[in-house]
Amino acid sequence: KAGVTQTPRYLIKTRGQQVTLSCSPISGHRSVSWYQQTPGQGLQFLFEYFSETQRNKGNFPGRFSGRQFSNSRSEMNVSTLELGDSALYLCASSLGRSGLDSPLHFGNGTRLTVT
Amino acid sequence: KNQVEQSPQSLIILEGKNCTLQCNYTVSPFSNLRWYKQDTGRGPVSLTIMTFSENTKSNGRYTATLDADTKQSSLHITASQLSDSASYICVVSDRGSTLGRLYFGRGTQLTVWP
Repeated sequence: KAGVTQTPRYLIKTRGQQVTLSCSPISGHRSVSWYQQTPGQGLQFLFEYFSETQRNKGNFPGRFSGRQFSNSRSEMNVSTLELGDSALYLCASSLGRSGLDSPLHFGNGTRLTVT
Repeated sequence: KNQVEQSPQSLIILEGKNCTLQCNYTVSPFSNLRWYKQDTGRGPVSLTIMTFSENTKSNGRYTATLDADTKQSSLHITASQLSDSASYICVVSDRGSTLGRLYFGRGTQLTVWP
């Protein structure tokens, strides 16, 4: 079974631009959640999608948004990029809701650098 | 405030030795606690998941314990190997109004020397 696939692997953008990241979950998984990882803050929850609906949202500004398609694939969008948005963005999929007892399966992330 | 604290922040041990990593949390109401291993440049990989009623769970050389009364967990690694060098992250889930919110510790960076 293929794992969670995130594209692109690396991305360099300039301040003010927007970016879209993509995540393909493990086949059969209906929950996709997104996380930001930085050396200073560690892993922080962005949001979770289940059956195409956002079910949970972390404490991030509205510049961070996402969506999930009918095939469970998900995209995350960040608009008006700031230098502080430079981070590793991780996507995870699970059979059930991410906070319940199903293990999360993470992708290897997209490394975003904002200059 | 729901928080997850891990200690130590970093740890260096010699190959073959045992070590124990700690996780204290204040998340309430508690749903489950997970330990993840993250190799450099990769996504985290699940080691164990424990619910309120479980106090020990093993995965090979990794053994996690949970004391829900004191809100503490530990991850014990036996007979360490060079491949154990990684960041170990403790994650606690709540079961509040926003079902299944996850809270992450900042991780313990383990280095195993030959």
